[in-house]
Amino acid sequence: GAVVSQHPSWVICKSGTSVKIECRSLDFQATTMFWYRQFPKQSLMLMATSNEGSKATYEQGVEKDKFLINHASLTLSTLTVTSAHPEDSSFYICSAAEDNYGYTFGSGTRLTVV
Amino acid sequence: QKEVEQDPGPLSVPEGAIVSLNCTYSNSAFQYFMWYRQYSRKGPELLMYTYSSGNKEDGRFTAQVDKSSKYISLFIRDSQPSDSATYLCAMRGSGGYQKVTFGTGTKLQVIP
Repeated sequence: GAVVSQHPSWVICKSGTSVKIECRSLDFQATTMFWYRQFPKQSLMLMATSNEGSKATYEQGVEKDKFLINHASLTLSTLTVTSAHPEDSSFYICSAAEDNYGYTFGSGTRLTVV
Repeated sequence: QKEVEQDPGPLSVPEGAIVSLNCTYSNSAFQYFMWYRQYSRKGPELLMYTYSSGNKEDGRFTAQVDKSSKYISLFIRDSQPSDSATYLCAMRGSGGYQKVTFGTGTKLQVIP
C-alpha cells in the first residue's frame, strides 16, 4: 500500500528558532498533501492543504507566515514552523492522497519548544 | 454543533467482545467515510474506507454507513488486546482532493 514518510519523528528546539518537517510519499506521486496538528487527547485539526507547484491553502485561524508550507515536488511537502514558541509544541502529522480516495498518514512529528 | 460527533470514551471491554464504535455527522455533502486507528504518538492508520451508504467487511472489522440517519459505525469482532487504541471516524465530500473532517476519536481498551 501507499507509504508516507515523515521526518523527523520528534524534535526539540529553542524558543525563537525555526523547525522544518518533511513529508514524503515513497511509492506514489501526491499532488495534494495535508498538514494536521493534534493536541493531547484531541482529534486532528487540519492546518493547511498543500498543492504541488502552488501556494498552500490555510484553514481559518492558521497563521500562514508562521507555518510555511512548500510543496516543490510531487513527492515532497515541507512544513516550517518559524520563530517557534512553547505554544507551538504539538504533534504534527501529514497526509497524502495516492488517488482520489485513499488518504495515508505519516507517522507524525512531536515538536517540543523549550 | 460540530460537523462530526464521536463519543470520546474511554471504552473498556474484555478480550473477545464485540466492539461498536459510532459517529454522527451533520454535513449531508459527506460521501466518503473512513475509520482510522491511532496508537499513542503515532500517525493514524486507515482501517476501513466506504463510499456512500452500506456495509463493508474486512476480517474482524465491519463498517456501516447510514446516510439517511447521518450515522456511521465500526464493529470489531473477537476484540484483541492489540486492538487497544484510539479510533477516529473521518469523512469527506466528493470531487477532487477534499479535506477530511475527523471525529474526536474513541479510546478503546481491550482487557485480556
